[in-house]
Amino acid sequence: DGGITQSPKYLFRKEGQNVTLSCEQNLNHDAMYWYRQDPGQGLRLIYYSQIVNDFQKGDIAEGYSVSREKKESFPLTVTSAQKNPTAFYLCASNGPEWNEQFFGPGTRLTVL
Amino acid sequence: GNSVTQMEGPVTLSEEAFLTINCTYTATGYPSLFWYVQYPGEGLQLLLKATKADDKGSNKGFEATYRKETTSFHLEKGSVQVSDSAVYFCALKNFNKFYFGSGTKLNVKP
Repeated sequence: DGGITQSPKYLFRKEGQNVTLSCEQNLNHDAMYWYRQDPGQGLRLIYYSQIVNDFQKGDIAEGYSVSREKKESFPLTVTSAQKNPTAFYLCASNGPEWNEQFFGPGTRLTVL
Repeated sequence: GNSVTQMEGPVTLSEEAFLTINCTYTATGYPSLFWYVQYPGEGLQLLLKATKADDKGSNKGFEATYRKETTSFHLEKGSVQVSDSAVYFCALKNFNKFYFGSGTKLNVKP
Protein backbone atom coordinates (compact mmCIF):
# COMPACT_ATOMS: atom_id res chain seq x y z
CA ASP A 1 0.00 0.00 0.00
CA GLY A 2 1.22 3.49 -0.79
CA GLY A 3 1.49 5.97 1.99
CA ILE A 4 3.57 7.92 4.45
CA THR A 5 5.21 6.35 7.47
CA GLN A 6 6.54 8.19 10.47
CA SER A 7 8.53 6.60 13.22
CA PRO A 8 8.47 6.29 16.07
CA LYS A 9 4.91 7.12 17.12
CA TYR A 10 6.07 8.27 20.57
CA LEU A 11 9.49 9.69 21.36
CA PHE A 12 10.95 10.83 24.65
CA ARG A 13 14.14 12.82 24.97
CA LYS A 14 16.00 14.69 27.62
CA GLU A 15 16.34 18.45 27.39
CA GLY A 16 19.44 19.50 25.46
CA GLN A 17 19.54 16.44 23.20
CA ASN A 18 19.03 16.56 19.46
CA VAL A 19 16.47 14.12 18.08
CA THR A 20 15.63 13.06 14.53
CA LEU A 21 12.12 12.17 13.38
CA SER A 22 11.75 9.89 10.40
CA CYS A 23 9.38 10.40 7.46
CA GLU A 24 9.25 8.05 4.48
CA GLN A 25 6.83 8.00 1.55
CA ASN A 26 6.36 5.54 -1.30
CA LEU A 27 3.92 7.70 -3.24
CA ASN A 28 6.60 9.00 -5.60
CA HIS A 29 5.75 12.53 -4.50
CA ASP A 30 8.18 15.36 -5.14
CA ALA A 31 7.02 17.70 -2.38
CA MET A 32 7.26 16.91 1.34
CA TYR A 33 6.39 18.97 4.39
CA TRP A 34 6.85 19.04 8.15
CA TYR A 35 4.23 20.57 10.43
CA ARG A 36 4.04 21.06 14.15
CA GLN A 37 0.74 20.76 16.01
CA ASP A 38 0.26 21.94 19.58
CA PRO A 39 -2.77 21.01 21.71
CA GLY A 40 -5.93 22.71 20.50
CA GLN A 41 -4.11 24.48 17.72
CA GLY A 42 -3.76 24.22 14.00
CA LEU A 43 -0.76 23.15 11.97
CA ARG A 44 2.29 25.32 11.61
CA LEU A 45 4.75 24.75 8.77
CA ILE A 46 8.33 24.03 9.83
CA TYR A 47 10.10 23.14 6.58
CA TYR A 48 9.16 21.97 3.13
CA SER A 49 10.96 20.48 0.15
CA GLN A 50 9.71 20.55 -3.40
CA ILE A 51 12.53 18.50 -4.87
CA VAL A 52 15.48 16.36 -3.82
CA ASN A 53 18.42 18.31 -2.40
CA ASP A 54 16.34 21.45 -1.95
CA PHE A 55 14.24 22.70 0.96
CA GLN A 56 12.82 25.94 2.31
CA LYS A 57 12.03 27.29 5.74
CA GLY A 58 8.45 27.50 6.79
CA ASP A 59 6.93 29.78 9.41
CA ILE A 60 8.65 28.29 12.46
CA ALA A 61 11.97 26.85 11.26
CA GLU A 62 14.13 28.10 14.14
CA GLY A 63 15.57 25.22 16.14
CA TYR A 64 14.87 22.64 13.43
CA SER A 65 16.85 21.23 10.52
CA VAL A 66 16.03 18.92 7.61
CA SER A 67 17.67 17.08 4.75
CA ARG A 68 16.33 15.73 1.46
CA GLU A 69 18.92 13.36 0.05
CA LYS A 70 16.35 10.93 -1.35
CA LYS A 71 12.96 11.54 -2.89
CA GLU A 72 11.22 9.19 -0.47
CA SER A 73 12.79 10.48 2.75
CA PHE A 74 12.58 13.81 4.60
CA PRO A 75 13.93 13.51 8.17
CA LEU A 76 13.46 16.33 10.67
CA THR A 77 15.98 17.06 13.41
CA VAL A 78 14.78 18.88 16.48
CA THR A 79 17.85 20.55 17.91
CA SER A 80 18.59 21.72 21.44
CA ALA A 81 18.07 25.27 20.17
CA GLN A 82 14.33 24.65 19.87
CA LYS A 83 12.96 26.24 23.05
CA ASN A 84 9.72 24.33 23.33
CA PRO A 85 10.00 21.08 21.34
CA THR A 86 7.26 19.03 22.99
CA ALA A 87 4.54 18.70 20.33
CA PHE A 88 2.91 16.44 17.76
CA TYR A 89 4.85 16.43 14.48
CA LEU A 90 3.18 15.65 11.17
CA CYS A 91 4.84 14.86 7.87
CA ALA A 92 2.97 15.31 4.59
CA SER A 93 3.58 14.99 0.87
CA ASN A 94 1.97 15.82 -2.44
CA GLY A 95 2.85 15.40 -6.10
CA PRO A 96 2.24 17.95 -8.86
CA GLU A 97 -0.67 15.94 -10.19
CA TRP A 98 -2.40 15.76 -6.81
CA ASN A 99 -4.25 18.76 -5.51
CA GLU A 100 -4.17 17.61 -1.89
CA GLN A 101 -1.73 16.72 0.87
CA PHE A 102 -1.33 13.23 2.26
CA PHE A 103 -0.37 12.96 5.90
CA GLY A 104 1.56 10.46 7.95
CA PRO A 105 0.27 9.24 11.34
CA GLY A 106 2.45 11.67 13.29
CA THR A 107 5.14 11.45 15.99
CA ARG A 108 4.48 12.74 19.47
CA LEU A 109 7.71 14.13 20.90
CA THR A 110 8.02 14.74 24.62
CA VAL A 111 11.09 16.44 26.00
CA LEU A 112 11.64 15.78 29.69
CA GLY B 1 -1.49 37.06 2.56
CA ASN B 2 -3.13 33.68 2.89
CA SER B 3 -5.04 32.58 5.96
CA VAL B 4 -7.96 30.47 7.11
CA THR B 5 -10.35 31.25 9.95
CA GLN B 6 -12.73 28.66 11.29
CA MET B 7 -15.19 28.66 14.14
CA GLU B 8 -13.88 27.80 17.55
CA GLY B 9 -14.99 24.65 19.21
CA PRO B 10 -15.84 22.46 20.73
CA VAL B 11 -19.11 21.89 18.96
CA THR B 12 -21.33 19.43 20.82
CA LEU B 13 -24.32 17.87 19.06
CA SER B 14 -26.70 15.01 19.59
CA GLU B 15 -26.71 12.15 17.11
CA GLU B 16 -28.72 12.92 13.95
CA ALA B 17 -28.42 16.69 14.44
CA PHE B 18 -27.47 19.03 11.60
CA LEU B 19 -23.85 20.18 11.52
CA THR B 20 -22.33 23.41 10.24
CA ILE B 21 -18.72 24.38 10.82
CA ASN B 22 -17.91 27.82 9.42
CA CYS B 23 -14.73 28.53 7.48
CA THR B 24 -13.64 31.74 5.79
CA TYR B 25 -10.40 32.44 4.00
CA THR B 26 -8.13 35.18 2.74
CA ALA B 27 -6.04 34.48 -0.32
CA THR B 28 -4.49 35.98 -3.39
CA GLY B 29 -5.27 34.39 -6.72
CA TYR B 30 -7.35 31.24 -7.01
CA PRO B 31 -6.76 28.84 -4.13
CA SER B 32 -8.07 25.32 -3.75
CA LEU B 33 -10.04 24.63 -0.56
CA PHE B 34 -10.11 21.55 1.64
CA TRP B 35 -11.62 20.01 4.72
CA TYR B 36 -9.49 17.53 6.63
CA VAL B 37 -10.49 15.37 9.60
CA GLN B 38 -8.23 14.24 12.45
CA TYR B 39 -9.09 11.43 14.84
CA PRO B 40 -7.32 11.31 18.23
CA GLY B 41 -3.60 10.54 17.98
CA GLU B 42 -3.65 10.30 14.18
CA GLY B 43 -2.64 12.32 11.17
CA LEU B 44 -5.04 14.31 9.02
CA GLN B 45 -7.22 12.66 6.40
CA LEU B 46 -8.71 14.48 3.45
CA LEU B 47 -12.48 14.71 3.81
CA LEU B 48 -13.39 16.76 0.73
CA LYS B 49 -12.06 19.45 -1.56
CA ALA B 50 -13.08 22.06 -4.13
CA THR B 51 -10.75 23.58 -6.68
CA LYS B 52 -12.73 26.50 -8.09
CA ALA B 53 -15.57 28.85 -7.30
CA ASP B 54 -19.04 27.29 -6.97
CA ASP B 55 -17.60 23.76 -6.83
CA LYS B 56 -19.18 21.54 -4.20
CA GLY B 57 -17.04 18.96 -2.47
CA SER B 58 -18.78 16.00 -0.86
CA ASN B 59 -17.84 12.78 0.92
CA LYS B 60 -19.43 10.51 3.56
CA GLY B 61 -22.47 12.80 3.83
CA PHE B 62 -20.38 15.93 4.37
CA GLU B 63 -20.59 18.83 1.90
CA ALA B 64 -18.95 22.21 1.39
CA THR B 65 -19.36 24.76 -1.40
CA TYR B 66 -16.60 27.11 -2.56
CA ARG B 67 -18.13 30.59 -2.32
CA LYS B 68 -15.80 33.17 -3.79
CA GLU B 69 -18.16 36.09 -3.19
CA THR B 70 -18.18 35.45 0.56
CA THR B 71 -14.72 33.80 0.70
CA SER B 72 -16.24 30.88 2.57
CA PHE B 73 -16.17 27.09 2.56
CA HIS B 74 -18.54 26.00 5.32
CA LEU B 75 -18.76 22.30 6.19
CA GLU B 76 -22.23 20.76 6.56
CA LYS B 77 -23.74 17.38 7.31
CA GLY B 78 -27.43 16.65 7.57
CA SER B 79 -27.29 13.98 10.27
CA VAL B 80 -24.16 13.45 12.37
CA GLN B 81 -23.16 10.16 13.98
CA VAL B 82 -21.11 9.44 17.08
CA SER B 83 -18.36 8.19 14.77
CA ASP B 84 -18.06 11.72 13.29
CA SER B 85 -16.53 12.94 16.56
CA ALA B 86 -13.12 14.33 15.58
CA VAL B 87 -11.28 17.58 14.88
CA TYR B 88 -12.05 19.20 11.52
CA PHE B 89 -9.57 21.47 9.74
CA CYS B 90 -10.33 23.86 6.92
CA ALA B 91 -7.37 24.52 4.62
CA LEU B 92 -6.41 26.29 1.45
CA LYS B 93 -3.67 25.63 -1.07
CA ASN B 94 -2.03 28.49 -2.91
CA PHE B 95 1.20 28.39 -4.92
CA ASN B 96 2.18 24.96 -3.58
CA LYS B 97 1.77 25.88 0.08
CA PHE B 98 -1.03 24.82 2.36
CA TYR B 99 -2.56 26.98 5.09
CA PHE B 100 -4.64 25.41 7.83
CA GLY B 101 -7.24 26.77 10.21
CA SER B 102 -6.92 26.11 13.92
CA GLY B 103 -9.35 23.19 13.86
CA THR B 104 -12.83 22.68 15.29
CA LYS B 105 -13.47 19.81 17.65
CA LEU B 106 -16.81 18.06 17.15
CA ASN B 107 -18.34 15.94 19.89
CA VAL B 108 -21.41 13.90 18.96
CA LYS B 109 -23.38 12.40 21.83
CA PRO B 110 -25.62 9.34 21.45
